[in-house]
Amino acid sequence: DIQLTQSPSFLSASVGDRVTITCRASQGISSFLAWYQQRPGKAPKLLVYAASTLQSGVPSRFSGSGSGTEFTLTISSLQPEDFATYYCQHLNSDFLTFGPGTKVD
Amino acid sequence: QITLKESGPTLVKPTETLTLTCTFSGFSLRTNGVAVGWIRQPPGKALEWLALIYWDGNKRYRPSLASRITISKNTPMYRVDLAMTNMDPLDTATYYCAHGGRHSESGTSYFPFAYWGLGVVVTVSS
Repeated sequence: DIQLTQSPSFLSASVGDRVTITCRASQGISSFLAWYQQRPGKAPKLLVYAASTLQSGVPSRFSGSGSGTEFTLTISSLQPEDFATYYCQHLNSDFLTFGPGTKVD
Repeated sequence: QITLKESGPTLVKPTETLTLTCTFSGFSLRTNGVAVGWIRQPPGKALEWLALIYWDGNKRYRPSLASRITISKNTPMYRVDLAMTNMDPLDTATYYCAHGGRHSESGTSYFPFAYWGLGVVVTVSS
């Protein structure tokens, strides 16, 4: 099974900061990766799919990149509503793995 | 507008069977390229995908739980059910259902979860 790891696990940042989160796959997964944001007590929200395609309605300060085994989610200028936990997910699989999450605090 | 809502018992005893229902609107599981998945999240922990059912009836399960879970659809009723047998306190979690719409790349289909229900909290305790 493909495993996903995320780094860092925890990230302390301030409003206006540029934030980068990395997701690594245990083997190549082409660009079959999604990113989700989860605020406390809320359901996850799809931000990016196919590694770099922004979901409709998601602010342009979010961007995704990467392919193969290394992927990044970047927030160009952190806003107050962006303090949340972020998960990557492997798509196109019989086992739709989620990463362990990165909390942005 | 696509909406999903989970329902079911909030408390189950160890060894009992949990049955959850996902009731949805704004799409049909008759439509080619649609899937509904179940995902859970233990308190303070990460998301864990459980099962997926496609418009054509194909199903996928988390391998470690495949012997305990069954996903089924009631297409006319706009409903997808998840049954999980032999519940254990470690199964205590918030359970979500989500809609996946098909996207394709290089001839390969994938189903990101763009719409989620609010979740239902299930506690397993005697």
